[in-house]
Amino acid sequence: KAGVTQTPRYLIKTRGQQVTLSCSPISGHRSVSWYQQTPGQGLQFLFEYFSETQRNKGNFPGRFSGRQFSNSRSEMNVSTLELGDSALYLCASSLRDTQYFGPGTRLTVL
Amino acid sequence: AQRVTQPEKLLSVFKGAPVELKCNYSYSGSPELFWYVQYSRQRLQLLLRHISRESIKGFTADLNKGETSFHLKKPFAQEEDSAMYYCALTSGTYKYIFGTGTRLKVLA
Repeated sequence: KAGVTQTPRYLIKTRGQQVTLSCSPISGHRSVSWYQQTPGQGLQFLFEYFSETQRNKGNFPGRFSGRQFSNSRSEMNVSTLELGDSALYLCASSLRDTQYFGPGTRLTVL
Repeated sequence: AQRVTQPEKLLSVFKGAPVELKCNYSYSGSPELFWYVQYSRQRLQLLLRHISRESIKGFTADLNKGETSFHLKKPFAQEEDSAMYYCALTSGTYKYIFGTGTRLKVLA
């Protein structure tokens, strides 16, 4: 089976802009989770979607949002970008409890 | 609050020496604990989970509820074990909490 894919792999934006990241889960996986990874904070949970519904969310401001489509693909949106949003954004899909991670999207905010 | 603590950012050991990566957690219920690993230029991947009670690549981890710990151990480190290791927990609410990670360097 093909693994989790994320697009784009790299992104450079300026403060105040918005960005949309995409994640395609492993075929048959209906749960998609998003994480922000930074050197100082490690992996921080953003939110999790299952069958187009957000089931849980982490402690991030409302500028971070997401959605899931009927084919389980998911998008994450960050509005009004801040310098501190620069990070690697990881997506993971799961069938039960094991998370399968994508390669990540490296977002740089200038 | 739910929290996973990995006290060591970097752990260096010599090849053939025993390895112990520490993980402590804070959670009032019965969480599921995991260890994930990220080798250089590879994706983050599951190494092992406590409910499986298995040994993967020679690594084992025992859940100690009294000490709220889930330390990862290997009796004889290999150079290929060099990687970033993350301890994680989930409470069954589809929310995962990861530690900040420990970089293991196995020296020749």
